Amino acid sequence: GQQVMQIPQYQHVQEGEDFTTYCNSSTTLSNIQWYKQRPGGHPVFLIQLVKSGEVKKQKRLTFQFGEAKKNSSLHITATQTTDVGTYFCAGPVTNAGKSTFGDGTTLTVKP
Amino acid sequence: KAGVTQTPRYLIKTRGQQVTLSCSPISGHRSVSWYQQTPGQGLQFLFEYFSETQRNKGNFPGRFSGRQFSNSRSEMNVSTLELGDSALYLCASSQGGRDSPLHFGNGTRLTVT
Repeated sequence: GQQVMQIPQYQHVQEGEDFTTYCNSSTTLSNIQWYKQRPGGHPVFLIQLVKSGEVKKQKRLTFQFGEAKKNSSLHITATQTTDVGTYFCAGPVTNAGKSTFGDGTTLTVKP
Repeated sequence: KAGVTQTPRYLIKTRGQQVTLSCSPISGHRSVSWYQQTPGQGLQFLFEYFSETQRNKGNFPGRFSGRQFSNSRSEMNVSTLELGDSALYLCASSQGGRDSPLHFGNGTRLTVT
């Protein structure tokens, strides 16, 4: 069944450095979504990718969906302290009810 | 539009008790999903309700159940609480399409002692 793996689990960066988190699935995904959860908060939807090879940008954030639709990445350019939090990727819910969220990458930014 | 509302925000129960959590989705959203979040297990999918019917179910024991009302509000019940049930329970609503983005509530923090 579908399982979404995310790496790294933790990333500590100096403010201004870049950050990337990767998401890999054992099966082809119809779409992938990205969420951000600030410390003490709840996950907030960032973006959805649907097409093979799709690239979307949100200011300093760049999201990519692999050609085979089995992997995705989120890249943040020149991190800021406001970027701290846990970033999750999520595939669609399967009929088997498999957990769809990756384990998340927790980003800390040192000023 | 008001966001997803979960009540209560915090709950302390003892082992063996049962608990009911409530979720009011965004107006117009017909799907409500429940997730359990713990530091060690991440976000685990419990179940999803759409138009009062359970559409998907995760791999949780039968002690975890839910329901959805005609106004799309949802409740989740956990019976015979165990210490391991301590977690943040998140409700998320969506318009209902399989690829619809999830809008999460602030969650209910359940502590079982």
